[in-house]
Amino acid sequence: DAKTTQPNSMESNEEEPVHLPCNHSTISGTDYIHWYRQLPSQGPEYVIHGLTSNVNNRMASLAIAEDRKSSTLILHRATLRDAAVYYCILRGNTNAGKSTFGDGTTLTVKP
Amino acid sequence: DTGVSQDPRHKITKRGQNVTFRCDPISEHNRLYWYRQTLGQGPEFLTYFQNEAQLEKSRLLSDRFSAERPKGSFSTLEIQRTEQGDSAMYLCASSSPVSPHYEQYFGPGTRLTVT
Repeated sequence: DAKTTQPNSMESNEEEPVHLPCNHSTISGTDYIHWYRQLPSQGPEYVIHGLTSNVNNRMASLAIAEDRKSSTLILHRATLRDAAVYYCILRGNTNAGKSTFGDGTTLTVKP
Repeated sequence: DTGVSQDPRHKITKRGQNVTFRCDPISEHNRLYWYRQTLGQGPEFLTYFQNEAQLEKSRLLSDRFSAERPKGSFSTLEIQRTEQGDSAMYLCASSSPVSPHYEQYFGPGTRLTVT
């Protein structure tokens, strides 16, 4: 499985944008980039996914580099409830959804 | 609430005992996954089912672990002769046959403590 690399931790101030980076230099052409987040004492929660084009949904935006070797999850206005561990994972068409989660980025949001 | 549910939420057992966890996926989700998560680490894939068929097992799933999904609905994960190293959060997830690229919905997990 192709691997992803994320910073261990990041901090943000409340109501400011947050850019969470992810490197995936060994991504294959059919791998989708998925982001999940995990709040304390809960299971992971799907955030967003994309293949090549930037994507937006109600939770976040996903910006994918042109060479697809990196991506950035963008939270437009961080709230205290966004404090969580954010995981960037790759998912191909042939691995039936099993995922290799790294250790993710722990986001701290300061009031 | 129609999310993924897991039972029990917490389990404390003594080393050497057997434990069984249950997962109820979102109805009509045909894929079901088990993960294990230790403190400070991301979830590690254990096994997954498509309907009642167990299609893949991780090398992490030793002979002491067995998972079933007899009717393609709920699933159980049994650990025999528990060891202290089995202490972890056990997460279940499910996905729909029509979800884009296997978007997974996770349950709250079962926290196992082996003393």
